[in-house]
Amino acid sequence: KAGVTQTPRYLIKTRGQQVTLSCSPISGHRSVSWYQQTPGQGLQFLFEYFSETQRNKGNFPGRFSGRQFSNSRSEMNVSTLELGDSALYLCASSLTGTGAVQETQYFGPGTRLLVL
Amino acid sequence: DQQVKQNSPSLSVQEGRISILNCDYTNSMFDYFLWYKKYPAEGPTFLISISSIKDKNEDGRFTVFLNKSAKHLSLHIVPSQPGDSAVYFCAASAKGSTSYGKLTFGQGTILTVHP
Repeated sequence: KAGVTQTPRYLIKTRGQQVTLSCSPISGHRSVSWYQQTPGQGLQFLFEYFSETQRNKGNFPGRFSGRQFSNSRSEMNVSTLELGDSALYLCASSLTGTGAVQETQYFGPGTRLLVL
Repeated sequence: DQQVKQNSPSLSVQEGRISILNCDYTNSMFDYFLWYKKYPAEGPTFLISISSIKDKNEDGRFTVFLNKSAKHLSLHIVPSQPGDSAVYFCAASAKGSTSYGKLTFGQGTILTVHP
């Protein structure tokens, strides 16, 4: 079974631009979560999607948004980029994400975003 | 408010010896705990997990212990190998709609295993 894939792997943008990152979950997984990793804040939860609906959201500004498609693939978008948005963005998938059954999240390799 | 804490930023052990990585949590709603291994610029790789109804789970060289009363868990690696050198993250999840798809991570512990 193929793992979680993320594209692109690396991105360089300038302040004020916007960026879209893509994530394809493991086949059969319907929940997709996004995380931001920075040296100062560690791994922080951005949001989660299931059946094309955002079910949960972390403490990030509205510039961070996402969506999920009917095939469970997900994208996240960051508008009006700031220097502090430079980070490794990680996508993870699980079967349902509800926690009703204790599920493991499996992570993709991440997208390294550098904002200049 | 850091709900999951890994108080040791780094740990150095000799090949063949035991590595013990520790993690503390404060949220009593957490009921599932996971350990991930991570190399720089890569995604975390799942290692082992434990449900709150258990106090121990083993998988090969890896064993996770959970002490619910102390809100503490630990990962034991025996024997340690140089290839185990990486950053290890403890993570926790809870049931309920406010926790859908959300893992709360510790800050990580850098493990170095010397040959």
